[in-house]
Amino acid sequence: GAGVSQSPSNKVTEKGKDVELRCDPISGHTALYWYRQSLGQGLEFLIYFQGNSAPDKSGLPSDRFSAERTGGSVSTLTIQRTQQEDSAVYLCASSFHGTSGQETQYFGPGTRLLVL
Amino acid sequence: GQNIDQPTEMTATEGAIVQINCTYQTSGFNGLFWYQQHAGEAPTFLSYNVLDGLEEKGRFSSFLSRSKGYSYLLLKELQMKDSASYLCAVRKSNYQLIWGAGTKLIIKP
Repeated sequence: GAGVSQSPSNKVTEKGKDVELRCDPISGHTALYWYRQSLGQGLEFLIYFQGNSAPDKSGLPSDRFSAERTGGSVSTLTIQRTQQEDSAVYLCASSFHGTSGQETQYFGPGTRLLVL
Repeated sequence: GQNIDQPTEMTATEGAIVQINCTYQTSGFNGLFWYQQHAGEAPTFLSYNVLDGLEEKGRFSSFLSRSKGYSYLLLKELQMKDSASYLCAVRKSNYQLIWGAGTKLIIKP
């Protein structure tokens, strides 16, 4: 596609429910990243995919968070048993290789998650 | 540890020049990015520095001093549309970026 797309753009859920966030990266980009951005905070790294593999899951805040990527393209971030502190904007980015060099990350518009 | 510091907020006048500073202390350095983020939108790439010196791109320039752990973004001929947050990010490894909290730039007429 022309750019990184994410869905839904906004999600309101009740505490304890599961949510699934989707990211569709730029076609041909092998690297995919998930970040979380809370109000007034910097981007918090969650997970990185190279192809379908996730070499670095170190940023996932707890075992309630998981992510997968299939076909080297679409990725889903799942949050189980959501908590109010999970409320944030979840940003997805993709880049061409992610292995060396500049590899600018291109961001999607984000999913704004609100847990009531 | 990792630490990236930027001023929280700056105010400047339309048509003027503003310099946004970023200092960093990271275990590993493979380049520094500047991104622009308008409220409610995704960050967009502005510049990348990996060697010391100034990189100029139109109204925007970015400077890096690796020995001082310091970078700045210089915006000239400010326009109202430049009102946004400016994020500094250090590439620590091949893929991992460490992000500053961003500097909110307010442009006044």
